Amino acid sequence: GESVGLHLPTLSVQEGDNSIINCAYSNSASDYFIWYKQESGKGPQFIIDIRSNMDKRQGQRVTVLLNKTVKHLSLQIAATQPGDSAVYFCAENLPYAGGTSYGKLTFGQGTILTVHP
Amino acid sequence: KAGVTQTPRYLIKTRGQQVTLSCSPISGHRSVSWYQQTPGQGLQFLFEYFSETQRNKGNFPGRFSGRQFSNSRSEMNVSTLELGDSALYLCASSWGGSSYEQYFGPGTRLTVT
Repeated sequence: GESVGLHLPTLSVQEGDNSIINCAYSNSASDYFIWYKQESGKGPQFIIDIRSNMDKRQGQRVTVLLNKTVKHLSLQIAATQPGDSAVYFCAENLPYAGGTSYGKLTFGQGTILTVHP
Repeated sequence: KAGVTQTPRYLIKTRGQQVTLSCSPISGHRSVSWYQQTPGQGLQFLFEYFSETQRNKGNFPGRFSGRQFSNSRSEMNVSTLELGDSALYLCASSWGGSSYEQYFGPGTRLTVT
């Protein structure tokens, strides 16, 4: 479904802690998932992506986990830093078939991450 | 390599006017998608262009239109502006074809008074 943004979930952590941000996606047919970080006044910044044929993917200090059984995605950030404070969005895309999914990411509502020094 | 650029960054318009926003994708990218971001609705897909053709369109009224040029630069136009059109308009570019990975520009902040 379409994203809603009235009340964003929040996560508050201490510097150095590990953070886990969760996302429930909407369409079981989605085959691509992506996490973005958006800082105030900026556009979303690509963090990491994963395809549906995988259940885990690691990047630098970040790990994405995909559970297709329950349509759940999570982003783990290791050793969280104050510079990680931002809004984090998950997004999904359907396979490119039939023309209704081209270039269309469907975004979750976002989670506000605050890291305290 | 330069990122996605959008112009102008900020815009103030009056109800009933029209506006044109511009997006230059990352060099080599042929797909441009446009999104509207508001506090109430979050990020919503407007449309996508690839090789000068609109391949996909979201659920927005016909007042929202776009186009893409042969150099992959894209414009979107909003006619007869309404107060509810105030938003951050984001464009994102990707290689196109079967590539899903999108890179976003900084956005254009449109305020309608």
